[in-house]
Amino acid sequence: EDQVTQSPEALRLQEGESSSLNCSYTVSGLRGLFWYRQDPGKGPEFLFTLYSAGEEKEKERLKATLTKKESFLHITAPKPEDSATYLCAVTSSNTGKLIFGQGTTLQVKP
Amino acid sequence: DSGVTQTPKHLITATGQRVTLRCSPRSGDLSVYWYQQSLDQGLQFLIHYYNGEERAKGNILERFSAQQFPDLHSELNLSSLELGDSALYFCASSVQGAGELFFGEGSRLTVL
Repeated sequence: EDQVTQSPEALRLQEGESSSLNCSYTVSGLRGLFWYRQDPGKGPEFLFTLYSAGEEKEKERLKATLTKKESFLHITAPKPEDSATYLCAVTSSNTGKLIFGQGTTLQVKP
Repeated sequence: DSGVTQTPKHLITATGQRVTLRCSPRSGDLSVYWYQQSLDQGLQFLIHYYNGEERAKGNILERFSAQQFPDLHSELNLSSLELGDSALYFCASSVQGAGELFFGEGSRLTVL
């Protein structure tokens, strides 16, 4: 069964304190791995797509990387506006379903 | 604004009742997805439609049903509601069956 596990569940950082979020996945035939950001009471917002091991994508202070078993979302010098829940999701080439992890809730304090 | 419109935004109803949630996808998107999000379950995939046809089903209860109409809008019908059905229901759309989904603001259902 396809599965996505994210860690940690919650992360508190000081402004400017860089860190990484982890997404471990088990999927039969990875079609793609996706990162989303979700603010409270809002729908998830797409950030990145990664397709193969070794691939990296960047957007402002965020950088996503992918290996054969996990993905990392690196946050460099975060700001309070980066506070949100970050969701990882995978699509299997067998089922075509987009399966989400439970998310990591990030709080950045000024 | 993602371009995906969901109505109603909030809905309060009683156990045993039936409700319909509506979703209008982004212009040009053929795929519509429904997800349920509760505090203890996270985002759970319910169902995916592509151009009017059902493409994939998740852990959708038999009391729930969905359809996508010729104008591509979609409806999620929830019947015989139980307290545990209280959750945020999200609709998302994409051009095809890709993982880059555009989510609506959600419909918050409260069953009393």
